[in-house]
Formats: sequence, C-alpha cells, structure tokens
Amino acid sequence: GNSVTQMEGPVTLSEEAFLTINCTYTATGYPSLFWYVQYPGEGLQLLLKATKADDKGSNKGFEATYRKETTSFHLEKGSVQVSDSAVYFCALSEGGSSNTGKLIFGQGTTLQVKP
Amino acid sequence: EAGVAQSPRYKIIEKRQSVAFWCNPISGHATLYWYQQILGQGPKLLIQFQNNGVVDDSQLPKDRFSAERLKGVDSTLKIQPAKLEDSAVYLCASTPSGGAYEQYFGPGTRLTVT
Repeated sequence: GNSVTQMEGPVTLSEEAFLTINCTYTATGYPSLFWYVQYPGEGLQLLLKATKADDKGSNKGFEATYRKETTSFHLEKGSVQVSDSAVYFCALSEGGSSNTGKLIFGQGTTLQVKP
Repeated sequence: EAGVAQSPRYKIIEKRQSVAFWCNPISGHATLYWYQQILGQGPKLLIQFQNNGVVDDSQLPKDRFSAERLKGVDSTLKIQPAKLEDSAVYLCASTPSGGAYEQYFGPGTRLTVT
C-alpha cells in the first residue's frame, strides 16, 4: 500500500543554519504531496504542497520539489529561525480518479532551533 | 472565518468506559475526516465523510468505534468500550471537497485511557 517515510528526529539546529528534512514515499500512480507543520500547542496546518512531478511547493522560506524519479519530497529552508521549531509531517494523497483526499502521513520530524 | 472546532480538548477515562468527541467543520465544507494520532506517529485516517455519507471507513475499528455526520454538518466519533491502546489525539479536518485540497485541522481531542 501507499506509505511515507521521514527522517528520524529530533533535528537540532542553530539559528540561521540550513535545514533539510528527508521524505520518501511509496505510491501507485501520481499522488499529491504535502508538508504539514504542527507548532507547539497548535493544530496541524498546511505548509506547502505539490501536485505533479517536478512541481516545487514553497511557503515562508520553505521549499520542497516533487521528484518522481527518486520518489522524494524533501523539505528545505536556507536559514531557520527559532520560530520554526515545530513538528513537520510529510504526507501524500492518492492521485487520479481514486483521490478521495485521504492523507497518508509520515511519522513526523521534530525540529528544534536554538538561538 | 471560524476554524474547525472540536470538543472536549482533553478527556481521561478508564478502560471499558465509553467516550464521544464532537467536531464542527468550517462552514460549507462538504468533506470531513477523523484521524487518530498516537504519540510519536503521524495521523492515521479513521473515517471520511462526504456530506452525510461515508466515503472511507476501512481503518475504523468498527467493533468499538462509530461515527456519524447527521445533516452533513457536525460529526461525532464514539468509542465504546475504550481500550488502553485508544489513548491518542483525535483530529478532525475538513475541506470543501475531496481531492488534493488543503485540509483544515481542528485542535484535536487528547484522550487518555487508564
């Protein structure tokens, strides 16, 4: 079945460091890919998405490119801030006519940014 | 615009007791999802509604879990009887329709079964 695998956390970085959180997926067809973020004490919210191969999603300085050849959707940011400390979830939804919108999530990666 | 509302925010019960969670989606959103998030894991879909019909309940443990969405607006998720492994955060999300739309999540209900 479809699945998402994220790198283990926690990831601890100093402010202004470069961030990469790896995400790979297994899916049939052409899924849509998402990054959701959960800040402390808050609900899940969409960070960015890409709906087809080679699309780049971006938001708040974060980017991720849909790579079908490597089945990956790695999250990157050039310079992290303390306020980026959160749990990040990679997710997919099935593509095509079978797409009900159901999300399949990775296990989440905790990011801690120190001043 | 009001977000997805859930209540209660926290609930502690003993095993074999029953519990119910309530969700009110964003106004006009036809699709409603219930997810279970066990500590240290990503959310897992329990059930999806489109208006008041069930689209997917393949991962709902139907011997103890039930859900309804009467009138296609708010929804209730029930567990009866609860087990220790049901301890988790129960998330409700809504979207205008199915497909690759952004899902808007509520704050969740944290359930502890002792």
